[in-house]
Amino acid sequence: NAGVTQTPKFRILKIGQSMTLQCTQDMNHNYMYWYRQDPGMGLKLIYYSVGAGITDKGEVPNGYNVSRSTTEDFPLRLELAAPSQTSVYFCASSLQQVSNQPQHFGDGTRLSIL
Amino acid sequence: AQSVTQPDIHITVSEGASLELRCNYSYGATPYLFWYVQSPGQGLQLLLKYFSGDTLVQGIKGFEAEFKRSQSSFNLRKPSVHWSDAAEYFCAVATNTGGFKTIFGAGTRLFVKA
Repeated sequence: NAGVTQTPKFRILKIGQSMTLQCTQDMNHNYMYWYRQDPGMGLKLIYYSVGAGITDKGEVPNGYNVSRSTTEDFPLRLELAAPSQTSVYFCASSLQQVSNQPQHFGDGTRLSIL
Repeated sequence: AQSVTQPDIHITVSEGASLELRCNYSYGATPYLFWYVQSPGQGLQLLLKYFSGDTLVQGIKGFEAEFKRSQSSFNLRKPSVHWSDAAEYFCAVATNTGGFKTIFGAGTRLFVKA
């Protein structure tokens, strides 16, 4: 059982480049989330989705975009990479929104913008 | 505004000793409270959660936490720490007011010495 799978695990980008962080889950969860984690800080919610075709902004959405064409996949796109987007990105999922909390996390993507 | 404070950036305990990690929250109503653990290079794993009812909740890996409304606290405890417990621990609070308002603390890193 794979759970939540994120690719790539590491990436270095130049300022202004674009890329897509991939996230897929095989648990048939409706709710999916993208967080970023910066040193000494807790997780900040970037975007979330309550089901295929439905997405909404979280706490720190600027500079990012998402889509949810299927239940399984929830990619995160950076259009114009900036140094402030250097971070570790986590995708998460949950079956239901009982309490707004994610239950399953991927292992993260470590992204550096130089 | 909601907030979560983990007063200790890092804690060192001896293997076999007891552990208590502190968490204080700020929220007007009864919150949903969570503890997560993060091992190096991995995503967060849910240890336990409090929604309502018994204020002492049991989690995985021998952890427990106690909700104290009068102190706005949700401290995590373990009677005997194992070397494998060395990790970073995050407290989080969520509300049931709709929308995604899960706030994470900055984390406490646990070191275990032999």
